[in-house]
Amino acid sequence: GGIITQTPKFLIGQEGQKLTLKCQQNFNHDTMYWYRQDSGKGLRLIYYSITENDLQKGDLSEGYDASREKKSSFSLTVTSAQKNEMAVFLCASSIRTGGVGDTQYFGPGTRLLVL
Amino acid sequence: QQQVRQSPQSLTVWEGETTILNCSYEDSTFDYFPWYRQFPGKSPALLIAISLVSNKKEDGRFTIFFNKREKKLSLHITDSQPGDSATYFCAADSNYQLIWGSGTKLIIKP
Repeated sequence: GGIITQTPKFLIGQEGQKLTLKCQQNFNHDTMYWYRQDSGKGLRLIYYSITENDLQKGDLSEGYDASREKKSSFSLTVTSAQKNEMAVFLCASSIRTGGVGDTQYFGPGTRLLVL
Repeated sequence: QQQVRQSPQSLTVWEGETTILNCSYEDSTFDYFPWYRQFPGKSPALLIAISLVSNKKEDGRFTIFFNKREKKLSLHITDSQPGDSATYFCAADSNYQLIWGSGTKLIIKP
């Protein structure tokens, strides 16, 4: 088994601030994902990475940057936090990139509040 | 267009009844359909999945029925329990990423 850790658990920022969220996995999975989940809503893909130093944009990438410097870690940066923004950012990993039988494993999330 | 639609948006069922959650899609290239379950305050986790080669997948009280011709799936939960209360997401595998439905919030009343 393995685990995904996300730091911080809670993040309070100011409007216009650059904020960085971090994710680590010890599954030795190739692929990692960043999703945003607004309260009571589904998951929207921000970025994913199929290997170290690879980055692929999801549908929600505008306003975000990502970095995959090591196989085990994937960072997400909110480039300019929006006032009253409130969401949970979920990191996930999978052994490969999609296909039959591939499973995404999720971290506990980072809860963001922008004042 | 790559979309996965789920219905109903929310559902309340009495304990012991059978719950039916619906999912539909449009893209014929989708070939794998996992269902994830998310308990309140927790992260999603894989519950059960089906591929194009099957019409039905069963795991305990959970069964997926798949109508490929109509591009529709349904998740049946028999003998529904209060502990099944959660949000259920249908997803479809598409070219390196999952396309997620918006989820069905299920409440099981004792």
